[in-house]
Amino acid sequence: QVQLQQWGAGLLKPSETLSLTCGVYGGSFNSFYWTWVRQIPGKGLEWIGEINERGDTDSSPSLGSRVTISADTSRTHFSLRLSSVTAADTAAYYCVRGRRDRRALSCSLRGCTYAYSYYMDVWGEGTTVTVSS
Amino acid sequence: EVVLTQSPGTVSLSPGERATLSCRASQSIISSSLVWYQQKPGQAPRLLIYGTSTRATGVPDRFSGSGSGTDFTLTIDRLEPDDFAVYYCQQYGDSPPYNFGQGTKVEIK
Repeated sequence: QVQLQQWGAGLLKPSETLSLTCGVYGGSFNSFYWTWVRQIPGKGLEWIGEINERGDTDSSPSLGSRVTISADTSRTHFSLRLSSVTAADTAAYYCVRGRRDRRALSCSLRGCTYAYSYYMDVWGEGTTVTVSS
Repeated sequence: EVVLTQSPGTVSLSPGERATLSCRASQSIISSSLVWYQQKPGQAPRLLIYGTSTRATGVPDRFSGSGSGTDFTLTIDRLEPDDFAVYYCQQYGDSPPYNFGQGTKVEIK
């Protein structure tokens, strides 16, 4: 059963760069979307961004160019870098596995009908990052 | 960008009662992209329902999801003590950013 283990610095000063890494253990890196989500204390969840096995990335416009998500060449770890942090970036950061599966239900000469399954099913334990001078 | 609004913010119920949680999208989303998560204090969220109505592995059938377009509902029948938590909806897989709702807290009355 796949497990995600994450690590990185938990205390930063303003303007520094947040750096977290998530290891994927017991499962394949391929065919999934490796995602970062954060949760400001006492608040809701915020989708930060993702990377797939081809190295394609997507991220939240609200974080702009501060976000970099990458994966190592062995495809066993993926990382988050968030530059120029402020106190507003203080949060619990989670690495998560996302799935976007498509299954053909039936096919004919005119094409196939598909069932789609989209969800994030495996979560890391979270890393608390505090930004303080 | 799709914005999800959950209501109510907090609901107070007794064990055995039914909880009805709402998630409204700012624009129509495909049913396969609506997901519900449960989060307890100090824990990571847990996948509950995906594709609007499909329960994740191990989720009791007391949990059910419904809806389409912009209006979605999570229903919890016969609340058990373990069900008191915060519930988040998310639109995932349709178009990024894959935003979450702000959450609904189900608390013991």
